[in-house]
Amino acid sequence: DTGVSQDPRHKITKRGQNVTFRCDPISEHNRLYWYRQTLGQGPEFLTYFQNEAQLEKSRLLSDRFSAERPKGSFSTLEIQRTEQGDSAMYLCASSLAGRSVGEYFGPGTRLTVT
Amino acid sequence: SQQGEEDPQALSIQEGENATMNCSYKTSINNLQWYRQNSGRGLVHLILIRSNEREKHSGRLRVTLDTSKKSSSLLITASRAADTASYFCATVPNTGTASKLTFGTGTRLQVTL
Repeated sequence: DTGVSQDPRHKITKRGQNVTFRCDPISEHNRLYWYRQTLGQGPEFLTYFQNEAQLEKSRLLSDRFSAERPKGSFSTLEIQRTEQGDSAMYLCASSLAGRSVGEYFGPGTRLTVT
Repeated sequence: SQQGEEDPQALSIQEGENATMNCSYKTSINNLQWYRQNSGRGLVHLILIRSNEREKHSGRLRVTLDTSKKSSSLLITASRAADTASYFCATVPNTGTASKLTFGTGTRLQVTL
């Protein structure tokens, strides 16, 4: 399957721990996005990469959050010192610049902070 | 933050009926997109309509866009049980970051047999 993949699919962690999520976009896609979705709400934009450059970060992305996309391929999203309010679904999406066909989303990583 | 709201928040219809969902947004847009999300899963892109388009069709889907009212509607004709999902509109702004999506709050559609 050549879709967007995310790992892990589920993560349960204790408050204060660090967690890291991985996203593998569709191979030829140069744009990669991270969104966060809480129950009953639409996804909210967190950050965006074009190739390896992080071009925009939402104000939702506090200094406990960091995202990387080394070599413009896969991306990681790390949350340090997790809080209960970080519990959400973290969605990754990718697209090809210049093609207005929407974004391709991965299945998401559901984070539960206890 | 959410771009706008969708109406209704929840919709229950019988198989074969049509379903209409509405979306309102707040700022000037480059395009508007509709996505479907099955429970606990990722989102699937359904259709994209550009700001200079008024109506678009794709299979059983019909989307309209009224930029003067900052609103869009999604019509699903001859609904099927498999259409049960949450539907989100998402806008791409006319300025700033290309392709950054701002989602609405979603409509939960239930299609019963």
